[in-house]
Amino acid sequence: QAVLTQPPSVSGAPGQRVIISCTGSTSNVGDGYDVQWYQQLPQTAPKLLIFSNDNRPSGVPERFSGSKSGTSASLAITGLQAEDEADYYCQSYDSSLSGVVFGGGTKLTVL
Amino acid sequence: EVQLVQSGAEVAQPGESLKISCETSGYDFTSHWVAWVRQIPGKGLEWMGAIYPIDSDTVSETIYSPSFQGQVTFSADTSISVAYLQWSSLTASDTAIYYCARQALNRNYFDFWGQGTLVPVSS
Repeated sequence: QAVLTQPPSVSGAPGQRVIISCTGSTSNVGDGYDVQWYQQLPQTAPKLLIFSNDNRPSGVPERFSGSKSGTSASLAITGLQAEDEADYYCQSYDSSLSGVVFGGGTKLTVL
Repeated sequence: EVQLVQSGAEVAQPGESLKISCETSGYDFTSHWVAWVRQIPGKGLEWMGAIYPIDSDTVSETIYSPSFQGQVTFSADTSISVAYLQWSSLTASDTAIYYCARQALNRNYFDFWGQGTLVPVSS
């Protein structure tokens, strides 16, 4: 069972906005550790989408944004496009486990 | 351009040993941790641990997730900028895709990933 909790699936129509949540605890997200988000398109390697809670690497569209509050974080995708259909994973560091932790992943379906 | 290129798929039998590679380029190999991440088909990402490659005269630093401690071994060859993941005795439960990923400098996240190596273990 993943340390960070994500909904298994979300969906939205093209052009809509969707939000994916990531819930942690006081030993990871709530302990001040940054949250990252990765996008994994079908049959490909994960790709860094958001780092340090709300920063986009070069080349990531502004439609993707991240936020963090307390023991939770969120990834928002606006102007949904068919190409956004993928699995999304949140990631942080856990001080109790002394290691990197991932969420279980959320499958985004574009209707 | 930073690149991590992994070795090809390896079909193996239970009990066999195996070593897969992650060839890096485009950055100073001895300045970043290289992590290994497992993905069982249809499942999520699991951090296995990481290695900090140090020059050839010094043993590289490693950290293992408790779930993988004693099950796998990380190593690196700084002369060719390659990281390795190896098993001494595979089991069917090791069947997965294994990714290497560069850890961002002084950060706990992964900014560049290899393409993955599929390791099916079957008799």
